[in-house]
Amino acid sequence: EPEVTQTPSHQVTQMGQEVILRCVPISNHLYFYWYRQILGQKVEFLVSFYNNEISEKSEIFDDQFSVERPDGSNFTLKIRSTKLEDSAMYFCASSPIRLAGSETQYFGPGTRLLVL
Amino acid sequence: GEDVEQSLFLSVREGDSSVINCTYTDSSSTYLYWYKQEPGAGLQLLTYIFSNMDMKQDQRLTVLLNKKDKHLSLRIADTQTGDSAIYFCAEILTGGGNKLTFGTGTQLKVEL
Repeated sequence: EPEVTQTPSHQVTQMGQEVILRCVPISNHLYFYWYRQILGQKVEFLVSFYNNEISEKSEIFDDQFSVERPDGSNFTLKIRSTKLEDSAMYFCASSPIRLAGSETQYFGPGTRLLVL
Repeated sequence: GEDVEQSLFLSVREGDSSVINCTYTDSSSTYLYWYKQEPGAGLQLLTYIFSNMDMKQDQRLTVLLNKKDKHLSLRIADTQTGDSAIYFCAEILTGGGNKLTFGTGTQLKVEL
């Protein structure tokens, strides 16, 4: 069964450094998403991406964040200058079409980011 | 704004039924979902219900939706130790784009 994959599974970085989190969505999917989950808190939406552009973003997704689909398979989240509060689990998801119930968002296993 | 709440913990004995509850504030939900998160793993879709339905059954899972009270529940029949996980309800709003709004998550512990 096809699945969303994410690399790395864990990343430790120093405050102020740039990080790039990578995702390979399911191959025939058209919509891509990033969510994050700070330890012990809710899963929060960051951004959705369709047709090579951002379709929606949350207040969390400020100028420090960017997303890119550099080729036909990868979808990346870049944090330009990490802060301590960026420490979280970051989930990538993809869906084949706009949500319609059963064709919903499929999540990757997540990247745990720790900013020191 | 949307707010989705769940109780934090639920403990049941193996073989019993589990009922995980969720309340939401925004009445414009279109689809409501239940996701399961096992330790160290991603979010696995369990089931979903469209907002014009009251109930949906899928093998051991039964979803009940009370739109008037904005209450969603997930019943797991014959709960097994492998069902131990965190369960999240999530909603999609009319006009809310594609984003999922998640609840706080309920940690289900199944005891022998």
